[in-house]
Amino acid sequence: RKEVEQDPGPFNVPEGATVAFNCTYSNSASQSFFWYRQDCRKEPKLLMSVYSSGNEDGRFTAQLNRASQYISLLIRDSKLSDSATYLCVFTSGTYKYIFGTGTRLKVLA
Amino acid sequence: DGGITQSPKYLFRKEGQNVTLSCEQNLNHDAMYWYRQDPGQGLRLIYYSQIVNDFQKGDIAEGYSVSREKKESFPLTVTSAQKNPTAFYLCASSIDNSGNTIYFGEGSWLTVV
Repeated sequence: RKEVEQDPGPFNVPEGATVAFNCTYSNSASQSFFWYRQDCRKEPKLLMSVYSSGNEDGRFTAQLNRASQYISLLIRDSKLSDSATYLCVFTSGTYKYIFGTGTRLKVLA
Repeated sequence: DGGITQSPKYLFRKEGQNVTLSCEQNLNHDAMYWYRQDPGQGLRLIYYSQIVNDFQKGDIAEGYSVSREKKESFPLTVTSAQKNPTAFYLCASSIDNSGNTIYFGEGSWLTVV
């Protein structure tokens, strides 16, 4: 099983839509989980950390399901500016961050 | 402005040449990392450093070298031994190595011509 699996997309959605991405991980000992956003030819930037109880930041909601070993990101009321690639990231050991290959989202006018 | 500064942003290298990518951070972070990103692939760890004067190989260290003489600086040298160096290189840092948020510089695009 791969360390991390993420649907590459692209997910093409109309403005205002709600869209959700999942990311599965294989290391049950992983402690920290994050969603990053990466725009074309730019560096990844932290979107939000993912906490066990789930957390929300405006239109974005992140959840962690340890039993099934996946994290999810829900985007409500999609904006054109949400178009980007979303990377899931989790830790494996004391120094290692594992990055998904990213899910590409395109919000259409 | 606090952050991670990488330079140069774009670099062209002739085959057989070594090049050095600069990475400086003023976040007072102990841990620093170098990643490589290729199209359609996740970030792959080249080298990491948990503290000054110490660094460890990552998953794809062959053909690369680093140094960590100062807390704020972690330069990466891409040597001629790296057979496929054309890629997007990202320097990153975190407060320590306990799984805190990792922050990235703007990246350096290296192209072999």
